[in-house]
Amino acid sequence: NAGVTQTPKFRILKIGQSMTLQCAQDMNHNYMYWYRQDPGMGLKLIYYSVGAGITDKGEVPNGYNVSRSTTEDFPLRLELAAPSQTSVYFCASTPKPDSSYEQYFGPGTRLTVT
Amino acid sequence: AQRVTQPEKLLSVFKGAPVELKCNYSYSGSPELFWYVQYSRQRLQLLLRHISRESIKGFTADLNKGETSFHLKKPFAQEEDSAMYYCALSASQAGTALIFGKGTTLSVSS
Repeated sequence: NAGVTQTPKFRILKIGQSMTLQCAQDMNHNYMYWYRQDPGMGLKLIYYSVGAGITDKGEVPNGYNVSRSTTEDFPLRLELAAPSQTSVYFCASTPKPDSSYEQYFGPGTRLTVT
Repeated sequence: AQRVTQPEKLLSVFKGAPVELKCNYSYSGSPELFWYVQYSRQRLQLLLRHISRESIKGFTADLNKGETSFHLKKPFAQEEDSAMYYCALSASQAGTALIFGKGTTLSVSS
């Protein structure tokens, strides 16, 4: 199992550009999440999905969009990139809607918007 | 509001010294608490969860509901324990997403 994979590892965007951060998992997990981590801060939830075709906003969704057409993939779309979106982005998944279950994290994508 | 507080940004200890990483939480209800760890150049991974009441790599954490704390402890630190440690709370909504503290960097030197 590859677990949770994310691409790209690094990216530099100019203000106003758009891009999609890819996330995939091969563990057949229903629940998937996108977090962002700003320097010196904890991870904050952007969007989450409880299954294919179902997504919902987290704490900091502005400027982002997601889709979940398959169980495996959960891409995060940035439209009109802004410097405030400079951050490290983590994707995670978990098998069941039970809060005692572990979340499995991807390696992260470091994004800089200049 | 649901919140996790880790008051120490950096904790530096010598090898063999005891370690305590502090975590306080704010949550109405029965919390589900976790410690996640990120070693250098590795991804974030679960260290332990309070519901399991387990000891992993010599670390333990006890949930104290009266003090709303979930401090991480190890009696004798090792150099390989050097990492970033995050305390996290499982949200009662948002698909059981995690609410993270800001993290504490543990540095163990010889």
